[in-house]
Amino acid sequence: EPEVTQTPSHQVTQMGQEVILRCVPISNHLYFYWYRQILGQKVEFLVSFYNNEISEKSEIFDDQFSVERPDGSNFTLKIRSTKLEDSAMYFCASSDDRDILNEQFFGPGTRLTVL
Amino acid sequence: GDSVTQMEGPVTLSEEAFLTINCTYTATGYPSLFWYVQYPGEGLQLLLKATKADDKGSNKGFEATYRKETTSFHLEKGSVQVSDSAVYFCALRNNFNKFYFGSGTKLNVKP
Repeated sequence: EPEVTQTPSHQVTQMGQEVILRCVPISNHLYFYWYRQILGQKVEFLVSFYNNEISEKSEIFDDQFSVERPDGSNFTLKIRSTKLEDSAMYFCASSDDRDILNEQFFGPGTRLTVL
Repeated sequence: GDSVTQMEGPVTLSEEAFLTINCTYTATGYPSLFWYVQYPGEGLQLLLKATKADDKGSNKGFEATYRKETTSFHLEKGSVQVSDSAVYFCALRNNFNKFYFGSGTKLNVKP
């Protein structure tokens, strides 16, 4: 069964460093998403991406964040200068349609730890 | 704004016990409601969903009914198994296709 994959599973970085979190969505999907979950808190929407551009973003997704689909298979989330409060689990998701009835398929997540 | 509140865990049950995990929501319009499950080391998997009031979602023995009058979508299972041990997330998707998740409830089932 096709699945969304994410690498790495755990990333440790120093405050101020740049990190890139990678996701490989399901191959025929067209809509891509990033969510994050700070430990013990809710899963929060960050951004959605379609047709090589951001379609929606939350107030969390500030200028420190960017997304890219560099090669037609990967979907990346870049944090330019990490802060302690960026420590969280980051989930990637994809869907084949934006329709409200369609399911989003989630990856296993990348745990980011900022020291 | 739209939001989901679910009971805090962890919930610890013995095998074959009855499970209820409460979930309530706040939303404008007519959201769709979901339960996702996350097994250790894996991603979020859709467990069940309901798209309109009074719909019942069911899968793998789990059920949840979309109750508009009480704005609830409680997850139930009549007889849990050790293999049901996981974290369960209640979520809604609003008319603008945005997802809002609860904070998750960890279920531990002991043999």
